[in-house]
Amino acid sequence: GIQVEQSPPDLILQEGANSTLRCNFSDSVNNLQWFHQNPWGQLINLFYIPSGTKQNGRLSATTVATERYSLLYISSSQTTDSGVYFCAVEGDFNAGGTSYGKLTFGQGTILTVHP
Amino acid sequence: DSGVTQTPKHLITATGQRVTLRCSPRSGDLSVYWYQQSLDQGLQFLIQYYNGEERAKGNILERFSAQQFPDLHSELNLSSLELGDSALYFCASSVGRDNSPLHFGNGTRLTVT
Repeated sequence: GIQVEQSPPDLILQEGANSTLRCNFSDSVNNLQWFHQNPWGQLINLFYIPSGTKQNGRLSATTVATERYSLLYISSSQTTDSGVYFCAVEGDFNAGGTSYGKLTFGQGTILTVHP
Repeated sequence: DSGVTQTPKHLITATGQRVTLRCSPRSGDLSVYWYQQSLDQGLQFLIQYYNGEERAKGNILERFSAQQFPDLHSELNLSSLELGDSALYFCASSVGRDNSPLHFGNGTRLTVT
């Protein structure tokens, strides 16, 4: 099946700093989403971004499907940004195997923002 | 609030028992997905239903089963529970059949003792 690698595994920031989280995937995809799991365990959908660039407030994401990676940018980080950021992908039909029709999650990036 | 409702929030039970987790999708969403999150396995897809029919299956054990009812709510049944089944179980929903985008409930934390 498709492999999803996220980096860095851990990130510690001071409030106000910017950061970039990366998601690499091993095959062509037709679906990519970014999620934030807050310290209370809630999973929030940040972006649905199989290709291109999107922005939502201080967060933006870019997916370069042809090069098999996606980036999540967090600007002017706040303590409420702390938590785990997950990238999830669905392999496209041509990728075959077991990855089509379901999202495969990476292991996540644990972000801690200190005041 | 994602609009996806899961009950109960917490469940503590003994090995060998059977439990049922319930999920109500967001209004208008036809797909329901079940995921398991554990420390060692991460977030694992279990199963998807679309408008009452099973659409995709992941690494769901034979001891586990699910269904989606005509009112679109879904139940995940876990039987012959083992210690290793202790995990956070999430339900998610989406409008269409194609995983896009997913909105998760708050999860049910299952502890098997």
